[in-house]
Amino acid sequence: DTEVTQTPKHLVMGMTNKKSLKCEQHMGHRAMYWYKQKAKKPPELMFVYSYEKLSINESVPSRFSPECPNSSLLNLHLHALQPEDSALYLCASSPPGGYSPLHFGNGTRLTVT
Amino acid sequence: DQQVKQNSPSLSVQEGRISILNCDYTNSMFDYFLWYKKYPAEGPTFLISISSIKDKNEDGRFTVFLNKSAKHLSLHIVPSQPGDSAVYFCAGGGGGTSYGKLTFGQGTILTVHP
Repeated sequence: DTEVTQTPKHLVMGMTNKKSLKCEQHMGHRAMYWYKQKAKKPPELMFVYSYEKLSINESVPSRFSPECPNSSLLNLHLHALQPEDSALYLCASSPPGGYSPLHFGNGTRLTVT
Repeated sequence: DQQVKQNSPSLSVQEGRISILNCDYTNSMFDYFLWYKKYPAEGPTFLISISSIKDKNEDGRFTVFLNKSAKHLSLHIVPSQPGDSAVYFCAGGGGGTSYGKLTFGQGTILTVHP
């Protein structure tokens, strides 16, 4: 069982909808991440939070809005998405600092219609 | 600019034999490398990592070799098992301001036949 839990597992939304992806970890990790993976492509970093503060934004469009309410939770708010945003959205966590590996959740499969 | 490349999209190996997965990188700022395994409908699972100051790291059936001069790393799985069949990603990472940013290769599909 993965120690990073993502909900929902699948999401279908229209281009005018507002939805949120949720991620939770209870490993005491203080760094959390959002990655995006398109079909047959590698995961690509979107955002990094360190100690609940946004530390990296990889020039992600504003229709994606991350939020870190506390050290265990990470949300990704979605609004006015495009069909090309359909992808697997992966959340990950790690201890901050050093070269600790990222622990990934199983992802949310998002389809934008 | 693809900083991490896995040039073999797929690899087929017989059970019990060695699987060798290769990865090349161009970014000399990477100071650690990781291998992840991914099953369908699951997130990537961490396998093994290596610091750029080392040339080998071993963990059970998995060994990663790093050749900095050639900017090449490889993952050896011995002996290979059918349960190892998955997509394998190598990734490079750097500390400092780029901490937490992993750059992944395209992945190699490993199939281990019984």
